[in-house]
Amino acid sequence: NAGVTQTPKFQVLKTGQSMTLQCAQDMNHNSMYWYRQDPGMGLRLIYYSASEGTTDKGEVPNGYNVSRLNKREFSLRLESAAPSQTSVYFCASSEGGGNQPQHFGDGTRLSIL
Amino acid sequence: SQELEQSPQSLIVQEGKNLTINCTSSKTLYGLYWYKQKYGEGLIFLMMLQKGGEEKSHEKITAKLDEKKQQSSLHITASQPSHAGIYLCGAVSGGFKTIFGAGTRLFVKA
Repeated sequence: NAGVTQTPKFQVLKTGQSMTLQCAQDMNHNSMYWYRQDPGMGLRLIYYSASEGTTDKGEVPNGYNVSRLNKREFSLRLESAAPSQTSVYFCASSEGGGNQPQHFGDGTRLSIL
Repeated sequence: SQELEQSPQSLIVQEGKNLTINCTSSKTLYGLYWYKQKYGEGLIFLMMLQKGGEEKSHEKITAKLDEKKQQSSLHITASQPSHAGIYLCGAVSGGFKTIFGAGTRLFVKA
């Protein structure tokens, strides 16, 4: 059972380069999320998609764009990477919002030089 | 905005010992999740608490939401090396948004 799959697992970029992080879930979940995890700060929501065809900003959306390609896939794009975006990025999915637990991928470790 | 504070930040225990991790919210909790994260991996859902006074167990891990619904505790009985990792609490913060605490790093010495 794959669950939530993120690619790539590791990436190093130079400042100003662009990059798309991919996420796919096979649980037929309606909602998907992108978080970043930084030391001492826990997880912070970047963007989420409540259902196919919709996306909304989370707590820290600046510098990112997302695309809900279909029900399975939700991608995160950095148009012009900055060192402050060095982080571990997690994708998650849930059946719905509110009191539905989220299921997480293994993360993408992104370093921007 | 709602904030979650976890304590302690890190914990080292001898195998077989019991331990407790706390999660305190700045606002009333309407849904509180506990997750475990193995080092270098994603988060694994442990349990969810919604009602004041509610208590749930998952193997040797028990979590409780206090009556006033502003604090949750996670208790591990007879800790094992497999319990090592980062424990995070998360709270429903309106609609589809969940906020997370910074995590408690647990190390279990064999």
